[in-house]
Amino acid sequence: AQSVSQHNHHVILSEAASLELGCNYSYGGTVNLFWYVQYPGQHLQLLLKYFSGDPLVKGIKGFEAEFIKSKFSFNLRKPSVQWSDTAEYFCAPYPGAGSYQLTFGKGTKLSVIP
Amino acid sequence: DAGVIQSPRHEVTEMGQEVTLRCKPISGHDYLFWYRQTMMRGLELLIYFNNNVPIDDSGMPEDRFSAKMPNASFSTLKIQPSEPRDSAVYFCASSFRRVSTDTQYFGPGTRLTVL
Repeated sequence: AQSVSQHNHHVILSEAASLELGCNYSYGGTVNLFWYVQYPGQHLQLLLKYFSGDPLVKGIKGFEAEFIKSKFSFNLRKPSVQWSDTAEYFCAPYPGAGSYQLTFGKGTKLSVIP
Repeated sequence: DAGVIQSPRHEVTEMGQEVTLRCKPISGHDYLFWYRQTMMRGLELLIYFNNNVPIDDSGMPEDRFSAKMPNASFSTLKIQPSEPRDSAVYFCASSFRRVSTDTQYFGPGTRLTVL
């Protein structure tokens, strides 16, 4: 069974700091990858997704993620965070063919201090 | 489109009572998912449907949990009897599988508290 690991449970940054949230998955075949975001009191929303092609994926609100197949990683980055980025971030690999299930990581809570 | 609709948004009940959570997926979506989110276990998939048919219910924690999808626009998740450890936020999500992968659209969730 595939699994996903998000290294940081809670990250605290000041505004304008750079962000990198780690995500590693254990699945050897073709995999598609998603990052979802959950703002306080709201439901999950798609931030970005990788299917194929350019391993550097651009998402909404200035976020990007890089797929490194050799490292089974799909880290989320943002050069300069804002207070409004305070949220919980979930990495989710999806194996594609076969089981149509997303496996969500435990999530990383990001707190941005003004 | 209004997005995925869930009701109620909050539910407080006593141990032993029956709880029914409701979900209306986005029109035209043929997959529907039920998730449970807790601090301890994160976001867990409970069950999902394709064209109203349950495909995988291996995430349903026990027989006290059941889910139905009588038609393409409505699904329920029932807990009977409820227990305090069922307290969580329950999310419904839907998607349209036009290619091999697609995005899941989540509802606002139902926050369940079992006393």
